Amino acid sequence: AQSVTQLDSQVPVFEEAPVELRCNYSSSVSVYLFWYVQYPNQGLQLLLKYLSGSTLVKGINGFEAEFNKSQTSFHLRKPSVHISDMAEYFCAVSDSDNQFYFGTGTSLTVIP
Amino acid sequence: KAGVTQTPRYLIKTRGQQVTLSCSPISGHRSVSWYQQTPGQGLQFLFEYFSETQRNKGNFPGRFSGRQFSNSRSEMNVSTLELGDSALYLCASSGGLNTEAFFGQGTRLTVV
Repeated sequence: AQSVTQLDSQVPVFEEAPVELRCNYSSSVSVYLFWYVQYPNQGLQLLLKYLSGSTLVKGINGFEAEFNKSQTSFHLRKPSVHISDMAEYFCAVSDSDNQFYFGTGTSLTVIP
Repeated sequence: KAGVTQTPRYLIKTRGQQVTLSCSPISGHRSVSWYQQTPGQGLQFLFEYFSETQRNKGNFPGRFSGRQFSNSRSEMNVSTLELGDSALYLCASSGGLNTEAFFGQGTRLTVV
């Protein structure tokens, strides 16, 4: 079975500063990787995904993530955060059975 | 095209009652998954249906059940509600392997 670890439950960052949200996964087989964002009382919205190809993936709202197979990581980054980026971020993997496994989430707090 | 639709958005029930939640997936999607989200436990997988068959199941008691209809719409049922069942219930649909899951806005269930 797969598992996903989001190392930080909360990340505070100043507005316009860069941010990195960390995600590690465990899997013995090829997986597909995703980052989702959730605003209060909403469902999850896809930020970006890695299925194959270039290990640097660009998503919506200026976010990007890098797939590192040797370190089994898929960290999410943004060079300059805004107040509107305050939300819960979830890393997820899916396997060949289309089963999704989610991390416990990272709450991003942006300090004005 | 229309996204994933969950009804109702909000629900209040008393302990011991039962509840049925509905999810209409994106047109053409045959896989529907259900998740329970609570502040303490995060996002937990309930079950997944594909072409009217339950394909995967999470670690939840038998009070939680679901089904999928021939048009891919899905329902989940919780019987003998407990206070701890209060949560945001999210439904997600996907169009096949190697694709992302699309989430509905969720049903907020409060058990009093």
